[in-house]
Amino acid sequence: GENVEQHPSTLSVQEGDSAVIKCTYSDSASNYFPWYKQELGKGPQLIIDIRSNVGEKKDQRIAVTLNKTAKHFSLHITETQPEDSAVYFCAASRITGGGNKLTFGTGTQLKVEL
Amino acid sequence: AAGVIQSPRHLIKEKRETATLKCYPIPRHDTVYWYQQGPGQDPQFLISFYEKMQSDKGSIPDRFSAQQFSDYHSELNMSSLELGDSALYFCASSLASNQPQHFGDGTRLSIL
Repeated sequence: GENVEQHPSTLSVQEGDSAVIKCTYSDSASNYFPWYKQELGKGPQLIIDIRSNVGEKKDQRIAVTLNKTAKHFSLHITETQPEDSAVYFCAASRITGGGNKLTFGTGTQLKVEL
Repeated sequence: AAGVIQSPRHLIKEKRETATLKCYPIPRHDTVYWYQQGPGQDPQFLISFYEKMQSDKGSIPDRFSAQQFSDYHSELNMSSLELGDSALYFCASSLASNQPQHFGDGTRLSIL
């Protein structure tokens, strides 16, 4: 089955700096890669996703890049703000006609300091 | 915008008891997924349903069962509860099986 590794496990940045979180996956058939933000006491919130036919996607301060050859993808957050502090999870899946089960990375605790 | 609704938000049970967790997907979403998240861990896929039929199965114990009803809500039934079942249980829904998943805020299950 799919295995997703995520680094770093904790990341501390100063407000206004950029943050980068990296993930690698094992199943070359995986074709969908979402990123989720989880705050304490809440469910994972989808912040951005990318499919395997695209190399990069951007949404305001958030961008994701995908390297299919190397089987890794990264989340980039620019101009970080204190409200960006949370646990971020990457995930991978192989979308089939029957489903889209997500395999998650182990999470990154991001802390944005004033 | 309407989100995924899970109930109850918190549930306390004793060993060997049973529990039923409910999930109400976002309106028009026909696919439901269940995940289990242990303390400090990532969510682990349990089971999914598409158009009321089981579409995929993950690391779900035989003591657990689930179904999706005609109104698309889903229930996760858990029997012979064990201490290790203490976790957050999330439900997610998607517009179709190939669309992004949106999560509810989970049910925190504590086994005493």
